[in-house]
Amino acid sequence: DAGVIQSPRHEVTEMGQEVTLRCKPISGHNSLFWYRQTMMRGLELLIYFNNNVPIDDSGMPEDRFSAKMPNASFSTLKIQPSEPRDSAVYFCASRDSGTSTDTQYFGPGTRLTVL
Amino acid sequence: AQSVAQPEDQVNVAEGNPLTVKCTYSVSGNPYLFWYVQYPNRGLQFLLKYITGDNLVKGSYGFEAEFNKSQTSFHLKKPSALVSDSALYFCAVRANYGGSQGNLIFGKGTKLSVKP
Repeated sequence: DAGVIQSPRHEVTEMGQEVTLRCKPISGHNSLFWYRQTMMRGLELLIYFNNNVPIDDSGMPEDRFSAKMPNASFSTLKIQPSEPRDSAVYFCASRDSGTSTDTQYFGPGTRLTVL
Repeated sequence: AQSVAQPEDQVNVAEGNPLTVKCTYSVSGNPYLFWYVQYPNRGLQFLLKYITGDNLVKGSYGFEAEFNKSQTSFHLKKPSALVSDSALYFCAVRANYGGSQGNLIFGKGTKLSVKP
């Protein structure tokens, strides 16, 4: 199993630009999570999907952030326009909610730097 | 409220010594508890979990954790620390109610530093 795949691994962009982060969950998993990690705030849940449907986006910082899951094998997190305070590591995780254990499996993350 | 507390920001241990990383939780009902490890520039890796049964759970890399219901704790332990164990460790509890039921609530993380 390839695990959760994220791209790009590193992204450097300038303030005001649009940024799109991508995630491929583990095959067969039907829940997908986007997290953000910073030194100041730790690990924050931004949004999660069940069966491609957004369930809770209360962690999304503001309207500049949006996430989609057009099918079971792909999700995007978009920031438009980006700001320096968005600089962080963004993780995607997936889970098979059909099991009783709710273990989440994380991707390697995308390190975003907004100049 | 459902929450996880990791009271130590950092734990320092000498190689070969036993290590403990502390975690306490607050959740109604039966707790599902997890430990994850994050090595530098990597994603979180699942280490072990407690769902039910034996209070001592064994996981990857020689780690184990002890569930203590009366103290609402789930401390991570290893009998003999390795320098390669140096990493950031996260405790998590499954949310049992509310809109986020089934999701994991993570602690702030504890940085483990093992010195030679």
